[in-house]
Amino acid sequence: ILNVEQSPQSLHVQEGDSTNFTCSFPSSNFYALHWYRWETAKSPEALFVMTLNGDEKKKGRISATLNTKEGYSYLYIKGSQPEDSATYLCALYGTASKLTFGTGTRLQVTL
Amino acid sequence: GAVVSQHPSRVICKSGTSVKIECRSLDFQATTMFWYRQFPKQSLMLMATSNEGSKATYEQGVEKDKFLINHASLTLSTLTVTSAHPEDSSFYICSATTSRSYEQYFGPGTRLTVT
Repeated sequence: ILNVEQSPQSLHVQEGDSTNFTCSFPSSNFYALHWYRWETAKSPEALFVMTLNGDEKKKGRISATLNTKEGYSYLYIKGSQPEDSATYLCALYGTASKLTFGTGTRLQVTL
Repeated sequence: GAVVSQHPSRVICKSGTSVKIECRSLDFQATTMFWYRQFPKQSLMLMATSNEGSKATYEQGVEKDKFLINHASLTLSTLTVTSAHPEDSSFYICSATTSRSYEQYFGPGTRLTVT
């Protein structure tokens, strides 16, 4: 059974601030780690899929890293904007061909 | 591309009635669809996995006679909550994938309230 923990549970930053949150997992017995961005009333949107220790991915102002040896992934947002407000989900794709989700980090960016 | 729709987005029903939720892949063929449930302040929990043309595989603790899943075509899966009770009130969300990828594409979810 895969365990996925995300922290913080919620985060409130001002426009322009850079921020980061954590996805941690005690076991590295998985194929891939996914980050999703989920806005209210919309479908979760895939941000990144990472598979290898040391992977770094970037999309615009958002980037992510993966450290399977120490059991964590970071998601970074540079220069937060109000449109970044969403819940960010981390999920592991494991050997049972299923996604196991964390509870998410809820980000609120205000002007 | 890779759009998944879900209908309805919100439903309120009386205790004892059944509710059907549809999940459609709009621009691709989904060999596998997944159904998740989310209770307040909890993570998305996988309920079942369905492959087109075969019976769904349910996760431990999920009653298959209560949550009927049908995946009759490569673009449609349905979840029927039978004899719904207030404790079934939850957010239900589906996802779909193709045989060539483990990337899952999600629908926007359905909020079910049983009164």
